[in-house]
Amino acid sequence: DAKTTQPPSMDCAEGRAANLPCNHSTISGNEYVYWYRQIHSQGPQYIIHGLKNNETNEMASLIITEDRKSSTLILPHATLRDTAVYYCIVRPSNTGNQFYFGTGTSLTVIP
Amino acid sequence: DVKVTQSSRYLVKRTGEKVFLECVQDMDHENMFWYRQDPGLGLRLIYFSYDVKMKEKGDIPEGYSVSREKKERFSLILESASTNQTSMYLCASSSGVNIQYFGAGTRLSVL
Repeated sequence: DAKTTQPPSMDCAEGRAANLPCNHSTISGNEYVYWYRQIHSQGPQYIIHGLKNNETNEMASLIITEDRKSSTLILPHATLRDTAVYYCIVRPSNTGNQFYFGTGTSLTVIP
Repeated sequence: DVKVTQSSRYLVKRTGEKVFLECVQDMDHENMFWYRQDPGLGLRLIYFSYDVKMKEKGDIPEGYSVSREKKERFSLILESASTNQTSMYLCASSSGVNIQYFGAGTRLSVL
């Protein structure tokens, strides 16, 4: 029941910013946007999440549009180790249940 | 750092065997989850637990059971393994309704 749309794949040159888009046009007022990534054969890794304000941490920045119908995850200086599948997930804040992972965006960082 | 440890990275079992997958977290999280991940299907929730000795069915509980006797440990049991249970199994834990932290995964092959 993924409520998000992401491009299936993207490339990015090493050292450049990687901008990963996500559409979530049916997002509700109490739903957060979460980003995870999964490096091949490993478990998903939490990156960042936000409600309506832009967020930044040591891994990435999250830009959410004013109408909250889309967002962009920014990896400011992509490295080869950032090659992974990136998942954008919307989820209410009042549930402790699962995260619905869709098919994500496969990001390849090119040397 | 949160650590979620799954007992095995790779397992090979025979059809009909009873299989135990173990997961331990070190952050005193109340919530623990078992997912399976298959190509093209994303992550699907099997079972989750909000507290010791409590369990709730996820989307695909058939053929599985779980045990949570201690807060830090959540076990997934395949009573009689079948070939269609060949998959990557992922354990996660969380505190409250927030971020889920995942283990590295167990790749199970049932022959």
